[in-house]
Amino acid sequence: KNEVEQSPQNLTAQEGEFITINCSYSVGISALHWLQQHPGGGIVSLFMLSSGKKKHGRLIATINIQEKHSSLHITASHPRDSAVYICARRNQFYFGTGTSLTVIP
Amino acid sequence: DSGVTQTPKHLITATGQRVTLRCSPRSGDLSVYWYQQSLDQGLQFLIQYYNGEERAKGNILERFSAQQFPDLHSELNLSSLELGDSALYFCASSVGGGYTGELFFGEGSRLTVL
Repeated sequence: KNEVEQSPQNLTAQEGEFITINCSYSVGISALHWLQQHPGGGIVSLFMLSSGKKKHGRLIATINIQEKHSSLHITASHPRDSAVYICARRNQFYFGTGTSLTVIP
Repeated sequence: DSGVTQTPKHLITATGQRVTLRCSPRSGDLSVYWYQQSLDQGLQFLIQYYNGEERAKGNILERFSAQQFPDLHSELNLSSLELGDSALYFCASSVGGGYTGELFFGEGSRLTVL
């Protein structure tokens, strides 16, 4: 059983759409990461959250510690956002299975 | 550029062989983490070193071992390789040894075992 669950597994959106990817975890955490992995394979850490909300450009990440849930939002999506997005619990190093996002022009 | 350097980028070898993957962390980062990403298992945490000492251990096989050297670079040794060891191996670094620091990933080493 994976300690970190992500949904949806796959997502296709039209350019400009607002996108939400969800992550839930079963055990309390000290921090949660959102990672982005492009088709070439490299991984970039987008956010590290321990509470509240963070924003970077068109990306917004929120976390609700009580509900053990986090969301990653992409506003005004663009084809270059196409990637796999992975959430990860930091303290036990568990990873979600990833959400594969394709943004169509 | 994350500042984390991994070598080699690609490696093809045969079953039963042994390989060494190398990771140089960002300047100033004391922690190095190793991860394995295979098609069927996704990303899995293998092991963490902090300032030369093992800090946390994940799903690392007994055939695998790692160490962190005084200059803070780390090596992951994979021995008696099996077909199932074919995967992308990532290392990441962070400043501290705890659980709240930002992670910076290398570009990965792609291992193919034939």
